[in-house]
Amino acid sequence: SQQGEEDPQALSIQEGENATMNCSYKTSINNLQWYRQNSGRGLVHLILIRSNEREKHSGRLRVTLDTSKKSSSLLITASRAADTASYFCATDPSYSGAGSYQLTFGKGTKLSVIP
Amino acid sequence: KAGVTQTPRYLIKTRGQQVTLSCSPISGHRSVSWYQQTPGQGLQFLFEYFSETQRNKGNFPGRFSGRQFSNSRSEMNVSTLELGDSALYLCASSGTGVENTIYFGEGSWLTVV
Repeated sequence: SQQGEEDPQALSIQEGENATMNCSYKTSINNLQWYRQNSGRGLVHLILIRSNEREKHSGRLRVTLDTSKKSSSLLITASRAADTASYFCATDPSYSGAGSYQLTFGKGTKLSVIP
Repeated sequence: KAGVTQTPRYLIKTRGQQVTLSCSPISGHRSVSWYQQTPGQGLQFLFEYFSETQRNKGNFPGRFSGRQFSNSRSEMNVSTLELGDSALYLCASSGTGVENTIYFGEGSWLTVV
């Protein structure tokens, strides 16, 4: 079963605009990771945020985590056509035990960046 | 260093056959996990191995099995293939650090006809 839901399911923006995607999850977590997937390809790891962190940055990416609301957001600033992809959040539930590395994924947000 | 490598990338099988997929993790990584991705069910966890032992298993029938070798390479096997097994099968590996970032391979596309 899916742990969480990404919102929106699809997002279309102009190049240069910012894109914000949200993720909600259901159980307590050890950490939350965001991935990008280009059509038909594997998952590319973007960023990991631990349960005791509230915000993390990596280049044009900014991730926030609110464990009280069981939600996270991914912000991509100054988007480019190459950012067109599906984005997934994945949680490592704390019930799975430390080091068991079992991820639960949402259904993803399909981002289209129009040149 | 090289990423997670999966072979084969694409394959077509007939219903009732079996298939074996291979995964080589990132050098030094001892945890290998497998996921199935379909349009209907999304990404679902199959199983995870660490030091040749299965630590976790997802909610899949016994037709899905896996193993890990002493060099951390892993294989997964699906027996008696069904049309619904058509999917992208993704392998992932992870080290043992505090931040257990999980890295994925490009996947193996399986089509069952």
